[in-house]
Amino acid sequence: AQSVTQPDIHITVSEGASLELRCNYSYGATPYLFWYVQSPGQGLQLLLKYFSGDTLVQGIKGFEAEFKRSQSSFNLRKPSVHWSDAAEYFCAVGSYNTDKLIFGTGTRLQVFP
Amino acid sequence: SQTIHQWPATLVQPVGSPLSLECTVEGTSNPNLYWYRQAAGRGLQLLFYSVGIGQISSEVPQNLSASRPQDRQFILSSKKLLLSDSGFYLCATDRAGTGELFFGEGSRLTVL
Repeated sequence: AQSVTQPDIHITVSEGASLELRCNYSYGATPYLFWYVQSPGQGLQLLLKYFSGDTLVQGIKGFEAEFKRSQSSFNLRKPSVHWSDAAEYFCAVGSYNTDKLIFGTGTRLQVFP
Repeated sequence: SQTIHQWPATLVQPVGSPLSLECTVEGTSNPNLYWYRQAAGRGLQLLFYSVGIGQISSEVPQNLSASRPQDRQFILSSKKLLLSDSGFYLCATDRAGTGELFFGEGSRLTVL
């Protein structure tokens, strides 16, 4: 079955610390992978996406993610977190022949000063 | 680029009352449109999907319905709301052929 797992429901980090949010997927076709961010009470904004090519992709706001096919993972990273990064983060998977994304349940990031 | 407008932004309704949430899209023609629901502590659940006027696919059985009366208008409705209909409703469109979604700002529905 197609699914996306974000094993961490809630993560707390100090400002300036590094961050890694985990995402694992199960998908029958070659995946397209996405990370979205949602600030409280807002819609979702695309952080970055992977379609093909270089497995390390750069996104907005200093985020990056690495696609590891052997591990079925697409973890999101940031070397130094800012207080404004506090939000909920969603990983999603799709493919070229479908218009529907499958979302993970999200990881809520809290940043302490 | 695509812009999605949703209204109302917040809504408090009693159980058994009707519902109408509206979504309009600018900057694109013949878009694919989606309604998602985000319940507290849960991820995004795809409710409805539309590839064109009058064409609606329902992803899960529920108390809600959707309509697409115009190319860039997508409406989420209910005749009688349930407590379980409370949540944050997001309208979205996609970039053709990629699956990448663009979301509206959402409508928060509280059913009392």
